[in-house]
Amino acid sequence: DTAVSQTPKYLVTQMGNDKSIKCEQNLGHDTMYWYKQDSKKFLKIMFSYNNKELIINETVPNRFSPKSPDKAHLNLHINSLELGDSAVYFCASSHGQGARIQYFGAGTRLSVL
Amino acid sequence: TQLLEQSPQFLSIQEGENLTVYCNSSSVFSSLQWYRQEPGEGPVLLVTVVTGGEVKKLKRLTFQFGDARKDSSLHITAAQPGDTGLYLCAGVWRGSTLGRLYFGRGTQLTVWP
Repeated sequence: DTAVSQTPKYLVTQMGNDKSIKCEQNLGHDTMYWYKQDSKKFLKIMFSYNNKELIINETVPNRFSPKSPDKAHLNLHINSLELGDSAVYFCASSHGQGARIQYFGAGTRLSVL
Repeated sequence: TQLLEQSPQFLSIQEGENLTVYCNSSSVFSSLQWYRQEPGEGPVLLVTVVTGGEVKKLKRLTFQFGDARKDSSLHITAAQPGDTGLYLCAGVWRGSTLGRLYFGRGTQLTVWP
């Protein structure tokens, strides 16, 4: 059983399209995150939700809109995709806000052509 | 703002050699963690250090937290090809009210047989 699962694993799309990435965790955690890892492997937080409430919004363009329908799910919708959005997006979860231990999904590799 | 500086960025060694990876900051952290990431996967937590001066061992890996809680090191003894991967340090900055995790840029380790 995968603790944090993301879909899809790979996403290839054209500039200007709208796409979504889904994340689900079965760990019973109350906090979920979205991270972006660029081509140089730098991992940076984008959003954090605690009990479905947005806690961290790290100066991300408003083309990115996270949605948390419940504590176990955190989806990421991206409008009007740009070339610079190409990266690997990781979902993570933890028990409690600001928890030291975060469990990561396997990532979604987004390629914008 | 890059709170955590990791060095070296790349490390290529022969099996059996020892190595040390450094994670430095001018800021104080409540805790520091080390993650390892393999290709196509998300980061996996190796260890968390909390107390200044703390040393933790995980088989051939030794982790140390600086006395002032501003830096950490990862030492691998007798490296093996299975140690190959991206090593990331991450920390919860003491000044953060939201408990967000800041990552270093990572050290890509390659161990040749």
